[in-house]
Amino acid sequence: SQKIEQNSEALNIQEGKTATLTCNYTNYSPAYLQWYRQDPGRGPVFLLLIRENEKEKRKERLKVTFDTTLKQSLFHITASQPADSATYLCALEDYGQNFVFGPGTRLSVLP
Amino acid sequence: KAGVTQTPRYLIKTRGQQVTLSCSPISGHRSVSWYQQTPGQGLQFLFEYFSETQRNKGNFPGRFSGRQFSNSRSEMNVSTLELGDSALYLCASSLIGREDQYFGPGTRLLVL
Repeated sequence: SQKIEQNSEALNIQEGKTATLTCNYTNYSPAYLQWYRQDPGRGPVFLLLIRENEKEKRKERLKVTFDTTLKQSLFHITASQPADSATYLCALEDYGQNFVFGPGTRLSVLP
Repeated sequence: KAGVTQTPRYLIKTRGQQVTLSCSPISGHRSVSWYQQTPGQGLQFLFEYFSETQRNKGNFPGRFSGRQFSNSRSEMNVSTLELGDSALYLCASSLIGREDQYFGPGTRLLVL
């Protein structure tokens, strides 16, 4: 069956460290994968998109990698700050035009 | 520029009723997608409209329907409401597809 999973429901890290979030998928052929941030009571906010033929994308303190062999994307936040605390969602669209979100990882950056 | 707006923000209905939610996309965006978010199922894709045509549809029953107008504004309708339809309904707009979507604040629907 098709699945998209994020490594953990919650992740706590210390301020200044790098947060690494994982998104794994099964039985999809993604054309691209996206990462969003969602704060409580608000809609998701788009962060980064990476296509199947790309290995890595960066934007300021954010980096995303995509490994189609491992069927995995990693999302990194370097020099994390308490303001980065939120739920992070991965989402993929595949060539079958399925569009699915992962369950999310709730990140807490502790001062 | 103004963001995606959704009305109403909160709604209480009873089982068996129907409801219509509205979404105004960012100016110039032609793609509007709708999502349902619940604690148990997470964020699930309902359907996408582009230039007044439904382009993609998620795995939801026919009670869920939508439409898009010539100005790209969109509505979604849920008929014969069930308790399980209680959720946050999110609308998102983008230039052409489901890449780089801008989400609205959502409509929180409670079905009693």
